[in-house]
Amino acid sequence: DIQMTQSPSSLSASVGDRVTITCQASQDISNYLNWYQQKPGKAPKLLIYDASNLETGVPSRFSGSGSGTDFTFTISSLQPEDIATYYCQQYDNLPPTFGQGTKLEIK
Amino acid sequence: EVQLVQSGAEVKKPGESLRISCKGSGYSFTSYWISWVRQMPGKGLEWMGRIDPSDSYTNYSPSFQGHVTISADKSISTAYLQWSSLKASDTAMYYCARHRTTVTTEYYFDYWGQGTLVTVSS
Repeated sequence: DIQMTQSPSSLSASVGDRVTITCQASQDISNYLNWYQQKPGKAPKLLIYDASNLETGVPSRFSGSGSGTDFTFTISSLQPEDIATYYCQQYDNLPPTFGQGTKLEIK
Repeated sequence: EVQLVQSGAEVKKPGESLRISCKGSGYSFTSYWISWVRQMPGKGLEWMGRIDPSDSYTNYSPSFQGHVTISADKSISTAYLQWSSLKASDTAMYYCARHRTTVTTEYYFDYWGQGTLVTVSS
């Protein structure tokens, strides 16, 4: 299985801050990389697919970039409602695998 | 409105069998694959397997192959996840999720069920 490693595992930031999460794949996955947001007690929500495509209805402060093995997820201006755990997920090879998650908290 | 509605929480004993469900509505159920995803308490997401509701073809993660069965009844727009013999380590939240596209090589999920909590304890 392809291993996905996110960093950091947790992050504390202030409202209005720019927040960046990275995801590294154990092998080249081209751009087959997605990002999800999971709020406590809720199902995950798709934010970004194919590394940089914003899902319909998702605010433009969310963005993604990268290809190959290194990917970045950015929130340009952190809002209180962005408190959640974020996961990357690859689907270049089956089974699809997720990163371990990055828990984002408000400072 | 697209919805996936899962069956309610279950408490079972080790060795018991269980089937949980995921009912789709608001879209053509047979047009989009359904995957199942496990989340153990306090842990991350694990893909278990998927089904094509149009023909019930499945594929599984090697980690779950042989321990769970995924099925579907397209006449009632419902997918299932079942165990024949539960273990304590099956205690987790289980989510069904719809594949976002009909492209068979694309595995990302745009609509999710609310989750079914399965607790296995003696």
